[in-house]
Amino acid sequence: DVKVTQSSRYLVKRTGEKVFLECVQDMDHENMFWYRQDPGLGLRLIYFSYDVKMKEKGDIPEGYSVSREKKERFSLILESASTNQTSMYLCASSLGTGGVEEKLFFGSGTQLSVL
Amino acid sequence: DQQVKQNSPSLSVQEGRISILNCDYTNSMFDYFLWYKKYPAEGPTFLISISSIKDKNEDGRFTVFLNKSAKHLSLHIVPSQPGDSAVYFCAASPTGNQFYFGTGTSLTVIP
Repeated sequence: DVKVTQSSRYLVKRTGEKVFLECVQDMDHENMFWYRQDPGLGLRLIYFSYDVKMKEKGDIPEGYSVSREKKERFSLILESASTNQTSMYLCASSLGTGGVEEKLFFGSGTQLSVL
Repeated sequence: DQQVKQNSPSLSVQEGRISILNCDYTNSMFDYFLWYKKYPAEGPTFLISISSIKDKNEDGRFTVFLNKSAKHLSLHIVPSQPGDSAVYFCAASPTGNQFYFGTGTSLTVIP
């Protein structure tokens, strides 16, 4: 089974702090994604990556950056955390062949609270 | 603009009855559709998918129906069980590399 591991289940940070969310997948997937989930808004794509050192902006990239130095690891960075970034953050990966059998495999999520 | 819409935020169903969750989309380029199930404090898990060349796909108690002309899909759960209580997300993809999600429907199955 594919395993996507997010380093923290719960995080509490102060406004203005730099925050790192780490994600590791163990199935040699090409694609990795960061989503945030908010009530009534569903899952919104922040950033995604098709390859090492490649990154693409999703629908809501403002206030975030990402890093993918190794294929299995995709990090989300909040440069200066703000209270409106309090959310559930979900990392996902997919095989990357682009066919109709593609699916996303999600980690357990990180509930981030910014005070 | 939301390309995938789930207009019912919540649904309650008696145990043993059918649950029907609906999803609409606007982009005619979508050719692959998925349903995910999410429990609180966990990541979403894949449930079932359908390609645009089909109009129905069945897996046990779960069936997904696709009506391309109406840009509508639905997930049927029969019979519904208390363990099915979760948030269900519909997702669509034009290429298999990007996925667009709906806002979710919270299903409660009443014992």
